[in-house]
Amino acid sequence: DAGVIQSPRHEVTEMGQEVTLRCKPISGHNSLFWYRQTMMRGLELLIYFNNNVPIDDSGMPEDRFSAKMPNASFSTLKIQPSEPRDSAVYFCASRADREYGYTFGSGTRLTVV
Amino acid sequence: KQEVTQIPAALSVPEGENLVLNCSFTDSAIYNLQWFRQDPGKGLTSLLLIQSSQREQTSGRLNASLDKSSGRSTLYIAASQPGDSATYLCAAFSSNTGKLIFGQGTTLQVKP
Repeated sequence: DAGVIQSPRHEVTEMGQEVTLRCKPISGHNSLFWYRQTMMRGLELLIYFNNNVPIDDSGMPEDRFSAKMPNASFSTLKIQPSEPRDSAVYFCASRADREYGYTFGSGTRLTVV
Repeated sequence: KQEVTQIPAALSVPEGENLVLNCSFTDSAIYNLQWFRQDPGKGLTSLLLIQSSQREQTSGRLNASLDKSSGRSTLYIAASQPGDSATYLCAAFSSNTGKLIFGQGTTLQVKP
Protein backbone atom coordinates (compact mmCIF):
# COMPACT_ATOMS: atom_id res chain seq x y z
CA ASP A 1 0.00 0.00 0.00
CA ALA A 2 1.62 3.23 -1.16
CA GLY A 3 -0.49 5.39 1.15
CA VAL A 4 -2.04 8.70 0.14
CA ILE A 5 0.03 10.23 -2.64
CA GLN A 6 0.22 13.98 -3.18
CA SER A 7 1.95 15.94 -5.88
CA PRO A 8 3.87 18.10 -6.18
CA ARG A 9 5.74 18.05 -2.87
CA HIS A 10 6.74 21.68 -3.27
CA GLU A 11 5.30 24.43 -5.44
CA VAL A 12 6.56 27.96 -5.80
CA THR A 13 4.49 30.25 -7.96
CA GLU A 14 3.96 33.90 -8.63
CA MET A 15 0.94 35.78 -7.40
CA GLY A 16 -1.91 35.59 -9.88
CA GLN A 17 -0.93 32.22 -11.31
CA GLU A 18 -3.12 29.13 -11.23
CA VAL A 19 -2.02 26.34 -8.93
CA THR A 20 -3.26 22.74 -9.05
CA LEU A 21 -2.56 20.28 -6.27
CA ARG A 22 -3.15 16.58 -6.80
CA CYS A 23 -4.07 13.67 -4.57
CA LYS A 24 -4.43 9.93 -5.00
CA PRO A 25 -6.22 8.34 -2.04
CA ILE A 26 -5.69 4.83 -0.77
CA SER A 27 -7.49 2.31 -2.92
CA GLY A 28 -10.78 1.31 -1.32
CA HIS A 29 -11.12 4.44 0.79
CA ASN A 30 -14.41 6.15 0.05
CA SER A 31 -13.82 9.51 1.76
CA LEU A 32 -11.25 12.15 0.83
CA PHE A 33 -10.37 15.32 2.67
CA TRP A 34 -8.34 18.43 1.86
CA TYR A 35 -6.73 20.28 4.77
CA ARG A 36 -4.56 23.39 4.95
CA GLN A 37 -1.94 23.91 7.65
CA THR A 38 -0.49 27.27 8.67
CA MET A 39 1.35 28.39 11.78
CA MET A 40 -1.39 30.83 12.67
CA ARG A 41 -4.47 28.67 12.13
CA GLY A 42 -3.19 25.12 12.44
CA LEU A 43 -4.95 22.42 10.42
CA GLU A 44 -8.18 23.52 8.77
CA LEU A 45 -10.57 21.33 6.81
CA LEU A 46 -11.24 22.85 3.40
CA ILE A 47 -13.52 20.30 1.77
CA TYR A 48 -14.37 16.62 1.89
CA PHE A 49 -15.79 14.11 -0.52
CA ASN A 50 -17.70 10.91 0.10
CA ASN A 51 -17.91 8.46 -2.80
CA ASN A 52 -16.54 11.20 -5.09
CA VAL A 53 -19.32 13.64 -4.16
CA PRO A 54 -18.45 16.90 -2.35
CA ILE A 55 -20.22 16.82 1.01
CA ASP A 56 -19.03 19.94 2.78
CA ASP A 57 -17.02 22.78 1.24
CA SER A 58 -17.73 25.32 3.97
CA GLY A 59 -14.03 25.51 4.77
CA MET A 60 -13.02 26.67 1.30
CA PRO A 61 -11.78 30.22 1.95
CA GLU A 62 -13.18 31.89 -1.13
CA ASP A 63 -14.20 31.42 -4.74
CA ARG A 64 -10.59 31.30 -5.83
CA PHE A 65 -10.46 27.78 -4.42
CA SER A 66 -12.11 24.82 -6.11
CA ALA A 67 -11.82 21.04 -5.71
CA LYS A 68 -12.85 18.12 -7.84
CA MET A 69 -12.91 14.37 -7.55
CA PRO A 70 -13.62 12.96 -11.00
CA ASN A 71 -13.14 9.36 -9.87
CA ALA A 72 -12.36 7.31 -6.78
CA SER A 73 -8.61 7.45 -7.33
CA PHE A 74 -7.95 11.11 -8.01
CA SER A 75 -8.72 14.57 -6.64
CA THR A 76 -7.48 18.07 -7.36
CA LEU A 77 -7.47 21.32 -5.42
CA LYS A 78 -7.13 24.39 -7.61
CA ILE A 79 -6.37 27.96 -6.64
CA GLN A 80 -6.91 30.64 -9.25
CA PRO A 81 -5.63 33.26 -9.00
CA SER A 82 -3.16 32.49 -6.24
CA GLU A 83 -2.21 35.07 -3.60
CA PRO A 84 0.69 35.22 -1.11
CA ARG A 85 -1.71 34.52 1.78
CA ASP A 86 -2.44 31.12 0.22
CA SER A 87 1.08 30.03 1.14
CA ALA A 88 0.69 26.98 3.39
CA VAL A 89 1.05 23.22 3.47
CA TYR A 90 -1.92 21.48 1.88
CA PHE A 91 -2.68 17.95 3.01
CA CYS A 92 -4.91 15.34 1.49
CA ALA A 93 -6.28 12.50 3.63
CA SER A 94 -8.48 9.50 2.99
CA ARG A 95 -10.52 7.14 5.11
CA ALA A 96 -12.26 3.84 4.53
CA ASP A 97 -15.26 4.37 6.78
CA ARG A 98 -16.25 6.25 9.93
CA GLU A 99 -14.91 3.52 12.20
CA TYR A 100 -11.45 3.90 10.75
CA GLY A 101 -8.87 6.58 11.18
CA TYR A 102 -7.61 9.05 8.64
CA THR A 103 -4.45 8.48 6.60
CA PHE A 104 -2.65 11.63 5.50
CA GLY A 105 -0.40 12.27 2.55
CA SER A 106 2.97 13.97 2.87
CA GLY A 107 1.52 17.32 1.87
CA THR A 108 2.27 19.97 -0.72
CA ARG A 109 4.17 23.01 0.49
CA LEU A 110 2.87 25.97 -1.52
CA THR A 111 4.70 29.27 -1.65
CA VAL A 112 3.13 32.16 -3.53
CA VAL A 113 5.52 35.06 -4.11
CA LYS B 1 -19.23 23.83 17.00
CA GLN B 2 -16.48 21.42 17.98
CA GLU B 3 -13.34 22.99 19.42
CA VAL B 4 -10.25 21.00 20.35
CA THR B 5 -7.64 22.36 22.73
CA GLN B 6 -4.25 20.91 23.59
CA ILE B 7 -2.24 21.79 26.65
CA PRO B 8 0.62 22.50 26.96
CA ALA B 9 1.60 24.05 23.63
CA ALA B 10 5.21 23.03 24.19
CA LEU B 11 6.98 20.67 26.54
CA SER B 12 10.64 19.92 27.16
CA VAL B 13 11.68 16.93 29.26
CA PRO B 14 14.85 14.94 29.92
CA GLU B 15 15.19 11.53 28.36
CA GLY B 16 13.57 8.71 30.31
CA GLU B 17 10.71 10.69 31.79
CA ASN B 18 7.12 9.56 31.56
CA LEU B 19 4.86 12.32 30.29
CA VAL B 20 1.23 13.15 29.59
CA LEU B 21 -0.17 15.27 26.80
CA ASN B 22 -3.66 16.66 27.24
CA CYS B 23 -6.48 17.19 24.77
CA SER B 24 -9.96 18.56 25.46
CA PHE B 25 -12.98 18.87 23.18
CA THR B 26 -16.18 20.83 23.60
CA ASP B 27 -18.69 18.57 21.84
CA SER B 28 -18.97 15.15 23.48
CA ALA B 29 -20.81 13.75 20.46
CA ILE B 30 -17.66 12.34 18.98
CA TYR B 31 -17.42 9.16 16.95
CA ASN B 32 -13.75 8.63 17.67
CA LEU B 33 -10.56 10.49 18.54
CA GLN B 34 -7.21 10.13 16.83
CA TRP B 35 -3.70 11.05 17.94
CA PHE B 36 -1.10 11.98 15.32
CA ARG B 37 2.58 12.73 15.30
CA GLN B 38 4.12 15.33 12.98
CA ASP B 39 7.85 15.74 12.51
CA PRO B 40 9.12 19.14 11.25
CA GLY B 41 8.34 19.61 7.58
CA LYS B 42 6.63 16.24 7.36
CA GLY B 43 3.13 14.84 7.14
CA LEU B 44 0.95 13.39 9.87
CA THR B 45 1.49 9.88 11.15
CA SER B 46 -1.40 8.23 12.95
CA LEU B 47 -0.46 6.91 16.38
CA LEU B 48 -3.67 5.74 18.02
CA LEU B 49 -7.39 5.73 17.25
CA ILE B 50 -9.93 5.46 20.07
CA GLN B 51 -13.57 4.74 19.30
CA SER B 52 -16.20 6.52 21.40
CA SER B 53 -17.10 3.22 23.06
CA GLN B 54 -13.52 2.61 24.18
CA ARG B 55 -11.67 3.97 27.20
CA GLU B 56 -8.10 3.54 26.01
CA GLN B 57 -5.75 2.23 23.35
CA THR B 58 -2.13 1.16 23.68
CA SER B 59 0.70 0.86 21.21
CA GLY B 60 4.16 0.16 22.56
CA ARG B 61 5.18 2.97 24.91
CA LEU B 62 2.08 4.99 24.00
CA ASN B 63 -1.26 4.86 25.78
CA ALA B 64 -4.21 7.06 24.91
CA SER B 65 -7.30 7.41 27.06
CA LEU B 66 -10.70 8.87 26.31
CA ASP B 67 -13.33 10.26 28.67
CA LYS B 68 -16.28 11.47 26.61
CA SER B 69 -18.27 12.73 29.58
CA SER B 70 -15.57 15.18 30.60
CA GLY B 71 -14.49 15.93 27.02
CA ARG B 72 -10.89 14.85 27.56
CA SER B 73 -8.24 12.61 26.13
CA THR B 74 -4.67 12.05 27.24
CA LEU B 75 -1.64 10.61 25.49
CA TYR B 76 0.80 8.97 27.86
CA ILE B 77 4.37 8.39 26.67
CA ALA B 78 6.45 6.08 28.82
CA ALA B 79 10.23 6.27 29.11
CA SER B 80 10.56 9.12 26.62
CA GLN B 81 13.40 9.10 24.08
CA PRO B 82 14.97 11.85 21.95
CA GLY B 83 13.34 10.21 18.92
CA ASP B 84 9.96 11.06 20.43
CA SER B 85 10.62 14.76 19.79
CA ALA B 86 7.86 15.97 17.46
CA THR B 87 4.51 17.75 17.48
CA TYR B 88 1.61 15.67 18.73
CA LEU B 89 -1.86 16.46 17.47
CA CYS B 90 -5.19 15.18 18.66
CA ALA B 91 -8.25 15.27 16.45
CA ALA B 92 -11.88 14.60 17.29
CA PHE B 93 -14.26 13.19 14.72
CA SER B 94 -17.67 14.73 15.35
CA SER B 95 -20.77 12.58 14.92
CA ASN B 96 -22.83 15.72 14.29
CA THR B 97 -20.76 17.35 11.57
CA GLY B 98 -18.88 14.40 10.13
CA LYS B 99 -15.67 16.42 10.39
CA LEU B 100 -12.29 15.70 11.97
CA ILE B 101 -11.29 18.76 13.99
CA PHE B 102 -7.69 19.23 15.12
CA GLY B 103 -6.14 20.81 18.16
CA GLN B 104 -3.16 23.14 17.74
CA GLY B 105 -0.74 20.48 18.91
CA THR B 106 1.86 20.02 21.63
CA THR B 107 5.49 20.33 20.54
CA LEU B 108 7.60 17.91 22.54
CA GLN B 109 11.35 18.04 22.95
CA VAL B 110 13.10 15.17 24.71
CA LYS B 111 16.65 16.07 25.67
CA PRO B 112 19.37 13.39 25.78
